[in-house]
Amino acid sequence: AQSVAQPEDQVNVAEGNPLTVKCTYSVSGNPYLFWYVQYPNRGLQFLLKYITGDNLVKGSYGFEAEFNKSQTSFHLKKPSALVSDSALYFCAVRSVQTGANNLFFGTGTRLTVIP
Amino acid sequence: ETGVTQTPRHLVMGMTNKKSLKCEQHLGHNAMYWYKQSAKKPLELMFVYNFKEQTENNSVPSRFSPECPNSSHLFLHLHTLQPEDSALYLCASSSGMPSGETQYFGPGTRLLVL
Repeated sequence: AQSVAQPEDQVNVAEGNPLTVKCTYSVSGNPYLFWYVQYPNRGLQFLLKYITGDNLVKGSYGFEAEFNKSQTSFHLKKPSALVSDSALYFCAVRSVQTGANNLFFGTGTRLTVIP
Repeated sequence: ETGVTQTPRHLVMGMTNKKSLKCEQHLGHNAMYWYKQSAKKPLELMFVYNFKEQTENNSVPSRFSPECPNSSHLFLHLHTLQPEDSALYLCASSSGMPSGETQYFGPGTRLLVL
């Protein structure tokens, strides 16, 4: 079975501080991993993905994520948070081996950046 | 968000009504998806179409009926819905190639069933 856990419903961080949004996954075989962001009244916007290669993936708006196979984690990070980063963040996974293109999403983490 | 568009953006309907949600993608993709987003729950995949053929029906009740006339358009026909069907319905598309391709989402239709 494939699943994603985002252990924190809410993360608060001060503007200018580094931020981390946590994600762990469970999948048969190797994973494809994704981060999406959702602003109010909008759809999900793609941020970054891990397919293969370098464990550190860089994406849009200065975000990056590190794939850790031993800890089955794919935490989202940014060195310096902006107020405009406040949004709902979703981690998603699918198995390389299944061949299907179905994504499994976490429940989301609401990030609030405090001015 | 011009890559994937959805109409209407908001919809209020009674339990006896029939309505349809429309999704259009302008990305040249071959796979399209319907998701249901409810508060505090993971996105629920409802249907998947690859090259106009339905490849996934995730145990969705028959009161939801998808239609994919071509690779650019996807509909979700609604009839005799229940209040618990109130949610944000998201459409997505991807290239259809099984290599970790990215899904791109529309803005969603906020549905309220009274």
